[in-house]
Amino acid sequence: KAGVTQTPRYLIKTRGQQVTLSCSPISGHRSVSWYQQTPGQGLQFLFEYFSETQRNKGNFPGRFSGRQFSNSRSEMNVSTLELGDSALYLCASSPGTGNGYTFGSGTRLTVV
Amino acid sequence: QKEVEQNSGPLSVPEGAIASLNCTYSDRGSQSFFWYRQYSGKSPELIMSIYSNGDKEDGRFTAQLNKASQYVSLLIRDSQPSDSATYLCAVTPLWRGGATNKLIFGTGTLLAVQP
Repeated sequence: KAGVTQTPRYLIKTRGQQVTLSCSPISGHRSVSWYQQTPGQGLQFLFEYFSETQRNKGNFPGRFSGRQFSNSRSEMNVSTLELGDSALYLCASSPGTGNGYTFGSGTRLTVV
Repeated sequence: QKEVEQNSGPLSVPEGAIASLNCTYSDRGSQSFFWYRQYSGKSPELIMSIYSNGDKEDGRFTAQLNKASQYVSLLIRDSQPSDSATYLCAVTPLWRGGATNKLIFGTGTLLAVQP
């Protein structure tokens, strides 16, 4: 059974650019969530999608956005990148509510 | 006060000993509680979930939940060097917007099992 797949694994971007990260959940999982992990802040919740609807959103600026497609695949976008956006971005999927997640391997974003 | 608090460690235990990891949370309405293990350079891996007061055992792992004290713990019996990792406590907070899978994570406790 394939796990959660995130692409790309690594990205280097320049300040002011935008970036799109992709996530394919485990087959049959309709819930997809995104997290940012940094050494200083730990794992911070970005947003959650369920059946193409954003169900919950964390305390991040509007530069961070996401969406979910009908096949449950999800993308997140960060516009006008700042140095502080450098982090590991993790996607996680779940079959329903309250089951806990399976995380993908993450996308390591470096903003220079 | 942080929403989910853990001692950052490192917690050092000898091989074969019991490792005890603790976590407190601030939201009394929290419903679901999880322990994740994260090896250096890897993504978090779910190892235990617990939803009601009491103990839940799975192999060498036991999760304990006390909602009155807002306290969750993880015991690892017969600790092995391969258990050396950061252990993250995570809680689903009460959210009046409906169902959610949002998790609030603690900053993690680094466990080092000495051979």
